[in-house]
Amino acid sequence: GAGVSQTPSNKVTEKGKYVELRCDPISGHTALYWYRQSLGQGPEFLIYFQGTGAADDSGLPNDRFFAVRPEGSVSTLKIQRTERGDSAVYLCASSPRRSGGSTDTQYFGPGTRLTVL
Amino acid sequence: GEDVEQSLFLSVREGDSSVINCTYTDSSSTYLYWYKQEPGAGLQLLTYIFSNMDMKQDQRLTVLLNKKDKHLSLRIADTQTGDSAIYFCAEVTDKLIFGTGTRLQVFP
Repeated sequence: GAGVSQTPSNKVTEKGKYVELRCDPISGHTALYWYRQSLGQGPEFLIYFQGTGAADDSGLPNDRFFAVRPEGSVSTLKIQRTERGDSAVYLCASSPRRSGGSTDTQYFGPGTRLTVL
Repeated sequence: GEDVEQSLFLSVREGDSSVINCTYTDSSSTYLYWYKQEPGAGLQLLTYIFSNMDMKQDQRLTVLLNKKDKHLSLRIADTQTGDSAIYFCAEVTDKLIFGTGTRLQVFP
């Protein structure tokens, strides 16, 4: 079956604009994660969904960042009033259930590269 | 706090062994993972080790865990040019915490 897909693959926007990044998880996976990877760094956790609800949003840097998963599958990460410091690769991952065990492997998408000019 | 550290670069000759090291700080981590990232591709899970194990071998990959020193290593035997990538270790407590990544370059 298909893996995790993310669209767009690249997004260039101007400072102050609003952007939406989309993630299509693997079918049937109940857990979905968003990470942000800045240049030369490892991915940093942003938010985790179990089903439709955000079970852990402790990684969101501020209230300009918001994510939804209204039907428990596709998720959208929304960034308001973008700043140059938001430029990064945004990664999405899904797993069959909550990670914490060896079988709860997170499968990652290719990411969306966001550039804020 | 949670902090996972790795050396930034490693360069090896094709056919030699590579050893990538990682230190972590959260002793409550249940699993420790190694991921591989190639340009333009998503993170690929290579292997993992449960925190009560000392060693795990999976084909060319050997993971060693020293829980006392909070040190994790990944050894790749007979390194190939296709192994060139960035390797991330990650610990999991209630979420995945990634290291900064080690860029492995394999030259002929």
